[in-house]
Amino acid sequence: DVKVTQSSRYLVKRTGEKVFLECVQDMDHENMFWYRQDPGLGLRLIYFSYDVKMKEKGDIPEGYSVSREKKERFSLILESASTNQTSMYLCASSRWTGSSYEQYFGPGTRLTVT
Amino acid sequence: GNSVTQMEGPVTLSEEAFLTINCTYTATGYPSLFWYVQYPGEGLQLLLKATKADDKGSNKGFEATYRKETTSFHLEKGSVQVSDSAVYFCALNQAGTALIFGKGTTLSVSS
Repeated sequence: DVKVTQSSRYLVKRTGEKVFLECVQDMDHENMFWYRQDPGLGLRLIYFSYDVKMKEKGDIPEGYSVSREKKERFSLILESASTNQTSMYLCASSRWTGSSYEQYFGPGTRLTVT
Repeated sequence: GNSVTQMEGPVTLSEEAFLTINCTYTATGYPSLFWYVQYPGEGLQLLLKATKADDKGSNKGFEATYRKETTSFHLEKGSVQVSDSAVYFCALNQAGTALIFGKGTTLSVSS
C-alpha cells in the first residue's frame, strides 16, 4: 500500500514563527503536492513538485515556500506564520497507473496560528 | 479554466436510502474524473475513478459514470449505511497536474 505520512497531526504556532510541515512518501512517486483545506472552500493547491529540486506554484502560494531535496520528502514552509494560515494542510503524491494519475493523501496537519 | 461543481450539502439521509451527489465539470480535452472520501479526522481516500467517456467507476457499493455529453460524474449508492457518513469530493485531473476539486459534500446518515 502507498503510504504518505505527515510529521504532525496537530500543530499550534505563534504569529511570526517559521513553521515547517514535513511530508514523506514511500512509493518512489515523482509528483508531490501541498493543499490547504478550509470549510466552504474545499481544497486549494499551494505548491507542487514533479521532481527533486523542482517546484511549481499552485493557486495560493503567497506566504509559503517548499523544499524537495530528496524524492520521498516534500516540505512546506511558512516563512512567518499568520493567523489566516490557520487551516488543515494535506500532502499528496501521485503515480501513473497506465490510464491516469492517482493521488494519495496523507492524514493531514491541522495548524493553528495564534 | 478547468473547474468542478458539486452539489452543496449537507445531505442527510436515513440508513438504506438511495444516495446521489451531483458533480459536473468544465475542462478541455478528456480529463480523468475521481471521487474522494474524507472520514472525520482523516485525509482523503480515493473512492473511485473513470478515465474516459462512458466508463463506470465503482467501489464499496458506490458508482459513478463518466458522461461527456453532460460533463457529469454523479456519485450514487443504492443503500447507504451510517458508516458512509463523510465528506465526498469530486475531482478532475489532466496530464499529471494537481487535482482540481469541488468544494465537497457532507453526507450524514442516521440509523
